[in-house]
Amino acid sequence: DTAVSQTPKYLVTQMGNDKSIKCEQNLGHDTMYWYKQDSKKFLKIMFSYNNKELIINETVPNRFSPKSPDKAHLNLHINSLELGDSAVYFCASSQGNLNTEAFFGQGTRLTVV
Amino acid sequence: DQQVKQNSPSLSVQEGRISILNCDYTNSMFDYFLWYKKYPAEGPTFLISISSIKDKNEDGRFTVFLNKSAKHLSLHIVPSQPGDSAVYFCAASEYNFNKFYFGSGTKLNVKP
Repeated sequence: DTAVSQTPKYLVTQMGNDKSIKCEQNLGHDTMYWYKQDSKKFLKIMFSYNNKELIINETVPNRFSPKSPDKAHLNLHINSLELGDSAVYFCASSQGNLNTEAFFGQGTRLTVV
Repeated sequence: DQQVKQNSPSLSVQEGRISILNCDYTNSMFDYFLWYKKYPAEGPTFLISISSIKDKNEDGRFTVFLNKSAKHLSLHIVPSQPGDSAVYFCAASEYNFNKFYFGSGTKLNVKP
């Protein structure tokens, strides 16, 4: 039973389209994240949600809008996709403010053509 | 500005020998450090962590060392096995901050 699952695993779309990536965790964690791994392989945080509230927004373009309907879900909507949005996007969760590890999903490889 | 740095993009080690992966950080407020392992087309998997109140944490073949004065940590794998071949990411966070900073990763190749 997958702890953090995100769908789809691969997403190919044209510039200008709007797309969503879904994420669900069954670990009972209260904090969820979106990370982006760019072409240089850096993993950079985009958003952090704690109990459905946005905690961190790392100067991500407002074309990216996270939505957390409940503690177990954090979806990522991307409007007007651009070539530079091509990357691997990882969802993760952790037990909030405690010093504990984050658990990651398998990633979504987004390719904008 | 990268607050966590892994200066060696790759490392090759013979099976049975020790693998040492290094990581440096710049933020003195970091108090929790982690190592993740990542296989291709998978998400990072937590390996081992260490709190800033310790200088060593051991879990089986994996040991993490923390040198706060040098702002340096390292991961030792002994003995190395071919299945350890993966990309290893170092990460750090501040207490009460819902945010992990990652290094750029070191690709470890353990040769049979």
